[in-house]
Amino acid sequence: KQEVTQIPAALSVPEGENLVLNCSFTDSAIYNLQWFRQDPGKGLTSLLLIQSSQREQTSGRLNASLDKSSGRSTLYIAASQPGDSATYLCAVNSYGQNFVFGPGTRLSVLP
Amino acid sequence: DVKVTQSSRYLVKRTGEKVFLECVQDMDHENMFWYRQDPGLGLRLIYFSYDVKMKEKGDIPEGYSVSREKKERFSLILESASTNQTSMYLCASSLVGLSNQPQHFGDGTRLSIL
Repeated sequence: KQEVTQIPAALSVPEGENLVLNCSFTDSAIYNLQWFRQDPGKGLTSLLLIQSSQREQTSGRLNASLDKSSGRSTLYIAASQPGDSATYLCAVNSYGQNFVFGPGTRLSVLP
Repeated sequence: DVKVTQSSRYLVKRTGEKVFLECVQDMDHENMFWYRQDPGLGLRLIYFSYDVKMKEKGDIPEGYSVSREKKERFSLILESASTNQTSMYLCASSLVGLSNQPQHFGDGTRLSIL
């Protein structure tokens, strides 16, 4: 059964720093991996979707990479801003299984 | 942009009541999902549907049922609410072709069972 973990659980950085969030999964037989952002008390906002055949996806200051063979994805945020403060979740869509979500990384960007 | 709308942001009900949570999407998506989110447990899938009148159990269906009479609407039903069903409930939708389509989420319903 697919298991998804995210490290670190929480991260606090000063504004302007570049940062990396990590997502690991145990079963490499995946269709795709999706990164979300969740603000407190709100739903999930889709950030990036990476298909299993892709190595990376970019949207603005965000870049997500995927290494299926090692079971890892990273979300790179460039020039972080206080508005980036949120919880970031990754979700893996695997063969024969439902979407499995990681526990999230809670990010605080300090002005 | 895809819009997934959940009927209530906050809801308070009593133990034993029958509770309906409604979700509507406006992009003609075939797939719809209900999750619950709890601290320390993350998001867990309750039920999903690939088409009208079709439903599939997720990882934690006990105590819940669903209804999908129209393509745009997916309802989650708590037949007899219990305090352990106090949670944040999230609805999502996606296009057919589960393998390569992103999920889009509503804003969630925070349900408290007293």
